[in-house]
Amino acid sequence: DVKVTQSSRYLVKRTGEKVFLECVQDMDHENMFWYRQDPGLGLRLIYFSYDVKMKEKGDIPEGYSVSREKKERFSLILESASTNQTSMYLCASIPAHSSYEQYFGPGTRLTVT
Amino acid sequence: RKEVEQDPGPFNVPEGATVAFNCTYSNSASQSFFWYRQDCRKEPKLLMSVYSSGNEDGRFTAQLNRASQYISLLIRDSKLSDSATYLCVVTKYNFNKFYFGSGTKLNVKP
Repeated sequence: DVKVTQSSRYLVKRTGEKVFLECVQDMDHENMFWYRQDPGLGLRLIYFSYDVKMKEKGDIPEGYSVSREKKERFSLILESASTNQTSMYLCASIPAHSSYEQYFGPGTRLTVT
Repeated sequence: RKEVEQDPGPFNVPEGATVAFNCTYSNSASQSFFWYRQDCRKEPKLLMSVYSSGNEDGRFTAQLNRASQYISLLIRDSKLSDSATYLCVVTKYNFNKFYFGSGTKLNVKP
């Protein structure tokens, strides 16, 4: 059974803080994704990675960076958190060359005050 | 223009009703199509893929119309447990990017 875990379910940070969101998957998937989900906007892709140390920008990368040092772990970094980054953050993974199911983590609800 | 558009709803239906959702996509090069289900405060999970010939899984039927660039989901004999948000998802040729609609909310009432 595929499992994708995220480091926190709820997180509250202050404006200007550096924030790390961690995602780990246990199925040896090559591709990993970070999305944010906001009401009325759906899921929007921030970054994705198709291999260790490889990353590509998604549709809304501004204000974010990512790190993939190990295959199973994909980290999202908010360099200087702002209130407009308050959102639900979802990590997902999928095997390479697969167009089938993305497996999602439970999400991290981040509030920036 | 959004890659994928859905009616946000909510669709409020009684138990036993049949309900249908549509979703339109903007890029004719889109290759794979899915419906995901997302329960309140939970992560999205795959409900079913959508094939060109249409496909059925129990009470759920998905259809694809490439000419008009829309996909549909039909739910027959609605159950209370069907209450959720249904996300339409489309991928392009490289499969590395999945485009999600903003979801259609379904409330099934007793």
